[in-house]
Amino acid sequence: EIHLVESGGGLVQPGGSLRLSCAASGFTFSTFGMSWVRQAPGQGLEWVSSISGSDDSTYYADSVKGRFTISRDISRNTLYLQMYSLRPEDTAVYYCAKGQWELYHWGQGTLVTVSS
Amino acid sequence: EIVLTQSPEFQSVTPKEKVTITCRASQSIGTSLHWYQQKPDQSPKLLIKYASQSISGVPSRFSGSGSGTDFTLTINSLEAEDGATYFCHQTTGFPYTFGQGTKLEIK
Repeated sequence: EIHLVESGGGLVQPGGSLRLSCAASGFTFSTFGMSWVRQAPGQGLEWVSSISGSDDSTYYADSVKGRFTISRDISRNTLYLQMYSLRPEDTAVYYCAKGQWELYHWGQGTLVTVSS
Repeated sequence: EIVLTQSPEFQSVTPKEKVTITCRASQSIGTSLHWYQQKPDQSPKLLIKYASQSISGVPSRFSGSGSGTDFTLTINSLEAEDGATYFCHQTTGFPYTFGQGTKLEIK
């Protein structure tokens, strides 16, 4: 059974940094693309970033480009999202998902709150 | 950026009713359009991929159609458990985008 478990969320001040992790199990992590999608409180879904399963190419939404970095550690079966220069508008539940295009499986999400 | 516009944004429906949700793209996206269901306090769930391809484990009352700019998610014979918000999602060009969502309330 496929499991995705996010961690690393919390309260951070504007301008601060945070690193989210997503522990994956139940599939061959190295061969699949992975994505981060966020959802601000009471709002819709926003695609944040994806990493290719074939060559680890990375892609970002304009709203986070230059501030967020997606990466993965194959040996740990873990996906990361390093977030810098956080803004109040980055406040959201961050989901990791299996896939680069259709997102088959999602984690339960981790809440990031950017506030002073 | 490709904008996806869903309609309606909200619909109150009764069990056994047939429901149609539409998603219109601001430019042609072929069939790179996926549908998700999100129930309150849950993560989204993939319902349909590439406009019309079914997903294992998803009830057959859910179906999708369309290509280019106009897409439809159809729920035949709605069940009470289908009360949720539904999102379309395009993966043709970056940035990938989602529709604003359609909330279905079960009467």
